[in-house]
Amino acid sequence: GDSVTQMEGPVTLSEEAFLTINCTYTATGYPSLFWYVQYPGEGLQLLLKATKADDKGSNKGFEATYRKETTSFHLEKGSVQVSDSAVYFCALSDQSQGSGNTGKLIFGQGTTLQVKP
Amino acid sequence: GAVVSQHPSWVICKSGTSVKIECRSLDFQATTMFWYRQFPKQSLMLMATSNEGSKATYEQGVEKDKFLINHASLTLSTLTVTSAHPEDSSFYICSARARRGGIDTQYFGPGTRLTVL
Repeated sequence: GDSVTQMEGPVTLSEEAFLTINCTYTATGYPSLFWYVQYPGEGLQLLLKATKADDKGSNKGFEATYRKETTSFHLEKGSVQVSDSAVYFCALSDQSQGSGNTGKLIFGQGTTLQVKP
Repeated sequence: GAVVSQHPSWVICKSGTSVKIECRSLDFQATTMFWYRQFPKQSLMLMATSNEGSKATYEQGVEKDKFLINHASLTLSTLTVTSAHPEDSSFYICSARARRGGIDTQYFGPGTRLTVL
C-alpha cells in the first residue's frame, strides 16, 4: 500500500541555518503531496502542497518540489527562525477520480525541528 | 478560508462517563470529515471517516460502539467517547475535506485534549 517515510528527528539547528527534512513516498496512483506543521499543543496546519510531478509548493519561506523520478518531496527553508520549531509531517493523498478515492491522508511519522537562538 | 474548529479544546472527565467532541467547518461545507487520535510524540492515527448523512467508516481496530460518530450536517461532525477510561486519554484531532481547484485537501482542527481520571 501507499506509504510515506520521513527522516527521523529531532533536527536541531541554529537560527538562520538551512533546513532540509527528507520525505519519500510509495504510491500506486497519482498522489498529491503535502507538508503539515504542528506547533506544541495544537492541531495540524497545512504548510504547502503539490499536486503533480515537478510542481513546487511554497509558503512562509518553506518550499518542496514533487520529484516523481526519486519519489521525494523534501522540505527546505533557507534560513530558519526559532518560531519554526515544531513537528513537520509529510503526507500523501490519492487524488484519483471515482468512488475509490477516500480522501484519506497517509502520514509520515513526523520530524521534530528545534531551532536554537 | 478553510477554517476548522473543535470544541472543547480540552476536557477532563471521570472514568465511565461519556464525552462529546464537536468538529465544525466554519467557512466551507464538508461532506467528509476525519477523526484522528494522536499519542505523545507520535504521528496521527486515523480512527474513522465521517460522511454527511451516512454511517461512519471505522479503521481496523477502532471500536465503533465506543467511539460514536455523527455527521448530521455539512459543517458539523461529532465524536462521542462512550464510557471513557484512562486509556482513552489522548489528543483527538478532526479534519474536514475540501475540494479546491480539483484537489482534495484536508484542513485540521486545533485538537481536543481528553484526560480521563
